[in-house]
Amino acid sequence: GEKVEQHESTLSVREGDSAVINCTYTDTASSYFPWYKQEAGKSLHFVIDIRSNVDRKQSQRLIVLLDKKAKRFSLHITATQPEDSAIYFCATSGGNYKPTFGKGTSLVVHP
Amino acid sequence: EAGVTQSPRYAVLQEGQAVSFWCDPISGHDTLYWYQQPRDQGPQLLVYFRDEAVIDNSQLPSDRFSAVRPKGTNSTLKIQSAKQGDTATYLCASSFHGFEQYFGPGTRLTVL
Repeated sequence: GEKVEQHESTLSVREGDSAVINCTYTDTASSYFPWYKQEAGKSLHFVIDIRSNVDRKQSQRLIVLLDKKAKRFSLHITATQPEDSAIYFCATSGGNYKPTFGKGTSLVVHP
Repeated sequence: EAGVTQSPRYAVLQEGQAVSFWCDPISGHDTLYWYQQPRDQGPQLLVYFRDEAVIDNSQLPSDRFSAVRPKGTNSTLKIQSAKQGDTATYLCASSFHGFEQYFGPGTRLTVL
């Protein structure tokens, strides 16, 4: 089955800097790549996604890049703010849209 | 628009007891997911439905866990005989056609 590896388990940045979280996947049939954020003590909520027909998507300070050849996708958070501190999960969906999640990256933004 | 609701929010059991979790997805969402999230780990898919049909339950421990979505709306996840290893948060999520998922607040289960 699909495996999703999230490379950074923790990430610490200074407020205003950029943060980058990288994920790789194994299933070439994966076609949908969402990202979710989980703040302390709360459930997950969707932040941004990318589909396999494009290689870049931006929503305000969030940029997602997809490299299908390398089976790699990444989340870039620009101009980080303390409220960006959370755990971020990458995920994939392939055949029948079965989702597989990474293990999460704990992002800390220091003032 | 109401989000995904789950109940109960917390449950504490002794080993061997049974428990049921209930989920009400967002109206109009055809796909419903149940996840297990152990402490400090990512969500692990247990089962998901499209309408009332089970699409994949390969990660559901079938000897003790069961899940239904009889009318393609609400869903129930049941643990027949809980074990300490079942201690985790159980998340329900829904989506339209398998895209952006909306998560409920979760049920935090502790098995003593």
